[in-house]
Amino acid sequence: GAVVSQHPSRVICKSGTSVKIECRSLDFQATTMFWYRQFPKKSLMLMATSNEGSKATYEQGVEKDKFLINHASLTLSTLTVTSAHPEDSSFYICSATKGTDSTYEQYFGPGTRLTVT
Amino acid sequence: GENVEQHPSTLSVQEGDSAVIKCTYSDSASNYFPWYKQELGKRPQLIIDIRSNVGEKKDQRIAVTLNKTAKHFSLHITETQPEDSAVYFCAAGRGGFQKLVFGTGTRLLVSP
Repeated sequence: GAVVSQHPSRVICKSGTSVKIECRSLDFQATTMFWYRQFPKKSLMLMATSNEGSKATYEQGVEKDKFLINHASLTLSTLTVTSAHPEDSSFYICSATKGTDSTYEQYFGPGTRLTVT
Repeated sequence: GENVEQHPSTLSVQEGDSAVIKCTYSDSASNYFPWYKQELGKRPQLIIDIRSNVGEKKDQRIAVTLNKTAKHFSLHITETQPEDSAVYFCAAGRGGFQKLVFGTGTRLLVSP
């Protein structure tokens, strides 16, 4: 199988605080992970591509100093929302890919619903 | 960069009817085209995908067709069932470690 987990599933935080979201590939090694943001009834917007052992590649318009991404191992990537504000409230989803020649599939985590009050 | 357009945004069908969702892409280098199904509050689930060296792929009631020349691909669901009701996203990418660009989604409602 190819299972991706995320923690926490839901988090409520106060404006100005930081929140860390973990994305783990449970049964495979993921050299590359992706972080998405999804607003209600909207599509998945790629925020950044996370590669193990190197700096993340951010999409245009995404503040890298606000959304800190760390991919310290082949099974774990973290997204830290720093100094969160109500407009950061959203559904954050990660995905991981084995990236081999035989499969291009991205396996998605269950998502984290962030609410900033 | 890649741009993916998806139509229609909503689609209502009767149980047993067929449903077709269409997407176009802009980057001729894209070679991987997955379709995901997302139920409310859940993670996207891959339902079928196709690579650019294939024109059509079928898996039971679901099929995907790809026209590389016109840069469009379509999802076909036959004999729809109420449990097919969900939001469907198409995506395009270059495969491997490369990112996917998602379409805007189609909300499919299958009425019994």
